[in-house]
Amino acid sequence: AQKVTQAQTEISVVEKEDVTLDCVYETRDTTYYLFWYKQPPSGELVFLIRRNSFDEQNEISGRYSWNFQKSTSSFNFTITASQVVDSAVYFCALSEAKKSSGDKLTFGTGTRLAVRP
Amino acid sequence: KAGVTQTPRYLIKTRGQQVTLSCSPISGHRSVSWYQQTPGQGLQFLFEYFSETQRNKGNFPGRFSGRQFSNSRSEMNVSTLELGDSALYLCASSYNNEQFFGPGTRLTVL
Repeated sequence: AQKVTQAQTEISVVEKEDVTLDCVYETRDTTYYLFWYKQPPSGELVFLIRRNSFDEQNEISGRYSWNFQKSTSSFNFTITASQVVDSAVYFCALSEAKKSSGDKLTFGTGTRLAVRP
Repeated sequence: KAGVTQTPRYLIKTRGQQVTLSCSPISGHRSVSWYQQTPGQGLQFLFEYFSETQRNKGNFPGRFSGRQFSNSRSEMNVSTLELGDSALYLCASSYNNEQFFGPGTRLTVL
């Protein structure tokens, strides 16, 4: 069975601080995908990134960066120089990469990030 | 390209009624998944449809059902509503394992 753990329930930072959101996953599959989504107060889940289990390269997109470490089953997300607009709930998710499983996502419980001015 | 659209956005029903929610995927996407989000249970997978066939199903009672049409639009139905069905229902369309979500339908059961 798959499981995603986001141990941080809530994080509060002051604007311009860097913040890292932790994600630890469990799966028996050798091939899988990892995702991060942002959910602002409006409710819509906004896709941020997808990472294939074979690709352990870290990725940077503007102020966002992701650190994927297979050895520790972690896929952490860092926001550099946080802004008030980053305030949202962030979800980490996992899906198997086999046809029989389709595109089912297993989500973590989310981390609520509050960025104070 | 237009994003995933869901209708209605808000819905209020009473216990025992049934409800139908609609989802139109991104053009070209053939897979549509549904999720339920509640404060207590978080985001839970309901089911996924691909080319009009249910490809995967979560652990929800039979009161929850869905279908997909030939144009990939999908509907989900909940019969005999219970108070605990109050939730945000999210639809996602996917292509190449990347899932994009709609704004959701917030269902309140009184």
